[in-house]
Amino acid sequence: QQQVKQSPQSLIVQKGGISIINCAYENTAFDYFPWYQQFPGKGPALLIAIRPDVSEKKEGRFTISFNKSAKQFSLHIMDSQPGDSATYFCAAPAFQGAQKLVFGQGTRLTINP
Amino acid sequence: NAGVTQTPKFQVLKTGQSMTLQCAQDMNHNSMYWYRQDPGMGLRLIYYSASEGTTDKGEVPNGYNVSRLNKREFSLRLESAAPSQTSVYFCASSFSGWGTEAFFGQGTRLTVV
Repeated sequence: QQQVKQSPQSLIVQKGGISIINCAYENTAFDYFPWYQQFPGKGPALLIAIRPDVSEKKEGRFTISFNKSAKQFSLHIMDSQPGDSATYFCAAPAFQGAQKLVFGQGTRLTINP
Repeated sequence: NAGVTQTPKFQVLKTGQSMTLQCAQDMNHNSMYWYRQDPGMGLRLIYYSASEGTTDKGEVPNGYNVSRLNKREFSLRLESAAPSQTSVYFCASSFSGWGTEAFFGQGTRLTVV
């Protein structure tokens, strides 16, 4: 089964800065990579997802960068705001074509005002 | 729309007691999932149900059983609770198929003493 390794475990960024969270996966055949955002006391919610036929996907201040050869994908949050403070999870299919997801360990992001 | 509803929100059990966590979704999703969330471990899949009438083990199924009661409901049972099962449990659902968004409930915080 696919494993996904996420780093860092925690991150503190000043307001207006760029937050960067990285994930590494094992199998290059996998082809769907979502990021989930979780606020305290809530369940995770889909933030943004990418398929590896593109190297980058942008939605507002959130960007996923995908490096297939390195088997890595990253979440960039531009102009980080205190409201972005949350835990972020990357994920990947458990195996090729799988519907169920395997999640990374999570990154607790804190944006200082 | 309520989305994914979990009950109870909080529970304290004594070692050896049993309980059932309830989950219901009103989005007409075919697939449902149970995850547990522990600090530094991310979200780990316990069981999932790809469609009504089917269930399969995830990464950490030991000590748990599930029932897909109908299309809407998917319950998780702890037959003999252990302190290692202290965790936050999330139910999720999605449409069938690869690359579809998973919608999560708000979680059940379970403590086993």
